[in-house]
Amino acid sequence: DQQVKQNSPSLSVQEGRISILNCDYTNSMFDYFLWYKKYPAEGPTFLISISSIKDKNEDGRFTVFLNKSAKHLSLHIVPSQPGDSAVYFCAATAWGNNRLAFGKGNQVVVIP
Amino acid sequence: KAGVTQTPRYLIKTRGQQVTLSCSPISGHRSVSWYQQTPGQGLQFLFEYFSETQRNKGNFPGRFSGRQFSNSRSEMNVSTLELGDSALYLCASSFLGNAEAFFGQGTRLTVV
Repeated sequence: DQQVKQNSPSLSVQEGRISILNCDYTNSMFDYFLWYKKYPAEGPTFLISISSIKDKNEDGRFTVFLNKSAKHLSLHIVPSQPGDSAVYFCAATAWGNNRLAFGKGNQVVVIP
Repeated sequence: KAGVTQTPRYLIKTRGQQVTLSCSPISGHRSVSWYQQTPGQGLQFLFEYFSETQRNKGNFPGRFSGRQFSNSRSEMNVSTLELGDSALYLCASSFLGNAEAFFGQGTRLTVV
């Protein structure tokens, strides 16, 4: 039972443009959400997170938006850079819990 | 500060054998979690250990087990290996109650 879903497995975007990744969740107990980036042959790297008490969190070029009523979050990368080419995983958990439920990931390719 | 270290990086085993994977967390992190990554299922939570005790367990058969030592290092064991156990096994460490986990590079297990 996939509690975190990422559709559109792959995304190609021109350098300098915006990349938008979407994520939906089904478990109402989830109240903390994270995005991880993964390069081949490396482990996932934490990118940005958001708590359910917020609807937006920004860190440099990365912004995560949360719509609790729709159980939907998105990651915006602006502007996209070639080094952003990686697989991006959405993850969710209940606050205080170290167990993460992951989506299957989105492959992002940034074209120079 | 050294990152999460997993050994070995690659492993080839035969069906029916057993395997032990090792993980050294970031210094100061006492929570260690294990995940299995496969192309079809994405990242699936196996278990979490804190202070040598299993705190959380995912939906995996009893052939998958783990333990944690007093220095927070952790091992996971898979007995009676099946072809479907071929996967990337990732270890993550964090402070207790902090979902922002740091991942190791993983151990690529191939069962033949």
